[in-house]
Amino acid sequence: GQQVMQIPQYQHVQEGEDFTTYCNSSTTLSNIQWYKQRPGGHPVFLIQLVKSGEVKKQKRLTFQFGEAKKNSSLHITATQTTDVGTYFCAVSGSARQLTFGSGTQLTVLP
Amino acid sequence: DAGVIQSPRHEVTEMGQEVTLRCKPISGHNSLFWYRQTMMRGLELLIYFNNNVPIDDSGMPEDRFSAKMPNASFSTLKIQPSEPRDSAVYFCASNPGQGNSPLHFGNGTRLTVT
Repeated sequence: GQQVMQIPQYQHVQEGEDFTTYCNSSTTLSNIQWYKQRPGGHPVFLIQLVKSGEVKKQKRLTFQFGEAKKNSSLHITATQTTDVGTYFCAVSGSARQLTFGSGTQLTVLP
Repeated sequence: DAGVIQSPRHEVTEMGQEVTLRCKPISGHNSLFWYRQTMMRGLELLIYFNNNVPIDDSGMPEDRFSAKMPNASFSTLKIQPSEPRDSAVYFCASNPGQGNSPLHFGNGTRLTVT
């Protein structure tokens, strides 16, 4: 099935600093989804990107899909303690099953 | 909408015992997914049903694992016999099954096999 590399694995930032996580694939993706999992919780859908070069924003979160549709990023501006959690990208396989990246665990230091 | 409902939330069992995890998907969702999450392997897809039919079970670790979906509102994941390496959080998720709809996850079952 589809595989996607996600980096970094961990990120510690001071509150107010920015944060970025990246997903990369060796093959062209039809779409990419992003999820957030709070500590002790379950993954929650954030957004889906479909078009080449697409950029979507949700308040302080900016999501980008690469022009070649092989990479994507999630950028958080001015992190807050409420941003703590693990952020996953996920890509669709041929049978519509979702394969998740390894996740980036974000810690925000107050 | 109650969301995806999983039970139990926590399960502690001894090696060799049978474990059954349960899931009720969101009403109207045609696709159901079982994932396993561990620190070492992350979120792994175990099996995926569409309209109650298993579509992809290539992620099921071995014959000790089996999953059923007898109707549109219920699915089980059974491990028999359980082993300590099966300890993980097991998530059930559902979606409408159209296009690339987002997944709605349940709260998960944390399984500990001693």
